[in-house]
Amino acid sequence: EVQLVQSGAEVKKPGESLKISCKGSGYSFTNYWIGWVRQMPGKGLEWMGIIYPSDSNTRYSPSFQGQVTISADKSINTAYLQWSSLKASDTAMYYCAKWDIWGQGTMVTVSS
Amino acid sequence: QPVLTQSSSASASLGSSVKLTCTLSSGHSSYIIAWHQQQPGKAPRYLMKLEGSGSYNKGSGVPDRFSGSSSGADRYLTISNLQFEDEADYYCETWDSNTRVFGTGTKVTVL
Repeated sequence: EVQLVQSGAEVKKPGESLKISCKGSGYSFTNYWIGWVRQMPGKGLEWMGIIYPSDSNTRYSPSFQGQVTISADKSINTAYLQWSSLKASDTAMYYCAKWDIWGQGTMVTVSS
Repeated sequence: QPVLTQSSSASASLGSSVKLTCTLSSGHSSYIIAWHQQQPGKAPRYLMKLEGSGSYNKGSGVPDRFSGSSSGADRYLTISNLQFEDEADYYCETWDSNTRVFGTGTKVTVL
């Protein structure tokens, strides 16, 4: 079965760092772009960026360039999304997605 | 960069049909799009990839009630024999070499 399994919910304080993960299985992980999508409470879907795990070629949406870092470890079929200094406005559900498969989502809550 | 326009809401009665529209911005009318469904409280689900020719490829397990079609810059998702579980947000998506973009989503209500 092709699936993307994401890490669990996180509760953080403003200024803290965070790295969430997305593990692919059931397909050739290195051969497909995989991306991250933000959904703020009650809002629509926003593409943050995508990565090609084979060579780690990464492209960011202009709105997220410099705000987050997307990476991948092809040896363990896992993609990552990380923040160096979280803000309250980063509170959202984050999904990873291959073109036809979605992860289950990771809820990130940032609150003092 | 392409822009996708969707109406904010649509409604139809149980057992009837509803046709959703996603319009590509000027200069991008030939683009392929994808349709995704997001039921309340759930992760999105890929429904289909839809070409400008109207040819579409559905995801695994997507019911026959879901179909796609195209006309010019418009891409359509038709849901026939509407069921209560079809009440959801529907997003179109497209991409080019440097970016991917979603439409704003259409909320479908089953009456």
